[in-house]
Amino acid sequence: NAGVMQNPRHLVRRRGQEARLRCSPMKGHSHVYWYRQLPEEGLKFMVYLQKENIIDESGMPKERFSAEFPKEGPSILRIQQVVRGDSAAYFCASSLLQVGNTGELFFGEGSRLTVL
Amino acid sequence: RKEVEQDPGPFNVPEGATVAFNCTYSNSASQSFFWYRQDCRKEPKLLMSVYSSGNEDGRFTAQLNRASQYISLLIRDSKLSDSATYLCVVKTSGGGADGLTFGKGTHLIIQP
Repeated sequence: NAGVMQNPRHLVRRRGQEARLRCSPMKGHSHVYWYRQLPEEGLKFMVYLQKENIIDESGMPKERFSAEFPKEGPSILRIQQVVRGDSAAYFCASSLLQVGNTGELFFGEGSRLTVL
Repeated sequence: RKEVEQDPGPFNVPEGATVAFNCTYSNSASQSFFWYRQDCRKEPKLLMSVYSSGNEDGRFTAQLNRASQYISLLIRDSKLSDSATYLCVVKTSGGGADGLTFGKGTHLIIQP
């Protein structure tokens, strides 16, 4: 069984360009979460989506960042007009149901964005 | 006060030793607690849940102290493969990602 698949694993962008990060959840999982991890920092929640719906985007910057999880295809985290401070590892996680008391999220290997 | 606090370490421990580290949380309404493990430049993976009565999984023991608002992880007979960053995770109703808040992690290095 394939786990959570993220691509690209590494992405280099120049300031002002756009970055698109994709995430395919585990088979059968309909809940997707995006986290950002800066060097020496903890995982910071960005957005929680179910198919075609954004459930909670309280952790997402108001500008330049957007996320979607269409009916067909992977979830996409889009960062427009990237700046150096966007350089980080972006992790996607999925769960079968709402996380609930199991606390178990299945993470992808992450996409490492470097902004030059 | 940060929601979830951990000593970042690193903890340098000889192979075979016992090591323990704590995590404190600020929200007394927190409901559930977990330890995740993250290897260098890898994704986090659930290590174990933490139950009120304490629980054990092989060489790993997790405990919860609600009165003092901390959880602990103890590793006995440490192995080189235990070297990783251990993330404390607290679930509180509401909040993002169904209420999960991750600590910054404690970096553990097991030395031969």
